Amino acid sequence: DAGVIQSPRHEVTEMGQEVTLRCKPISGHDYLFWYRQTMMRGLELLIYFNNNVPIDDSGMPEDRFSAKMPNASFSTLKIQPSEPRDSAVYFCASSLARQGVNEQYFGPGTRLTVT
Amino acid sequence: DAKTTQPTSMDCAEGRAANLPCNHSTISGNEYVYWYRQIHSQGPQYIIHGLKNNETNEMASLIITEDRKSSTLILPHATLRDTAVYYCIVANAGGTSYGKLTFGQGTILTVHP
Repeated sequence: DAGVIQSPRHEVTEMGQEVTLRCKPISGHDYLFWYRQTMMRGLELLIYFNNNVPIDDSGMPEDRFSAKMPNASFSTLKIQPSEPRDSAVYFCASSLARQGVNEQYFGPGTRLTVT
Repeated sequence: DAKTTQPTSMDCAEGRAANLPCNHSTISGNEYVYWYRQIHSQGPQYIIHGLKNNETNEMASLIITEDRKSSTLILPHATLRDTAVYYCIVANAGGTSYGKLTFGQGTILTVHP
């Protein structure tokens, strides 16, 4: 398996523009997670899905952020409109639920810069 | 989820064992201890987890004290490629809590030649 795939790897955009980050989880995994990492706040969980259904979006910073998972092999994280403070590395991760095991596989991340 | 406390940074000589401590004095009975690491510019990587017993896999060993209030991750023969931030996380792993991992600041481990 190729692991978790994220695109683009780097994104530079201007304030006010819409940004869409994409993620392809590992085939067969039933959980998908979106994280954001900054120097100031560290690694934060934004939202996660189970079987394509959003379970917990309490980490989504505000209404400008939205996430979808239309099928088991694809998810998007959208920021509209983007702001400079959204600059961060965004990670997608997936896992297969097993009691007592919380082994999440992370993608390489998307480095977002909003100018 | 219980809070964890880790040293900010540690050094280790290449080829020696790296012992990374973690305090989790408020851990509850159904919470597991997980260790992840993040090598520079990469996504975090799962290392090992445990509930009560000591655990070992191809990457590391996890020693959990009998009262479960602290644990130690052991890299038996550290290499330069083990230089990374190591995160100790305490979380439930079942039911409605599955999936929520809270990453703290972790320990920056630097392995020296």
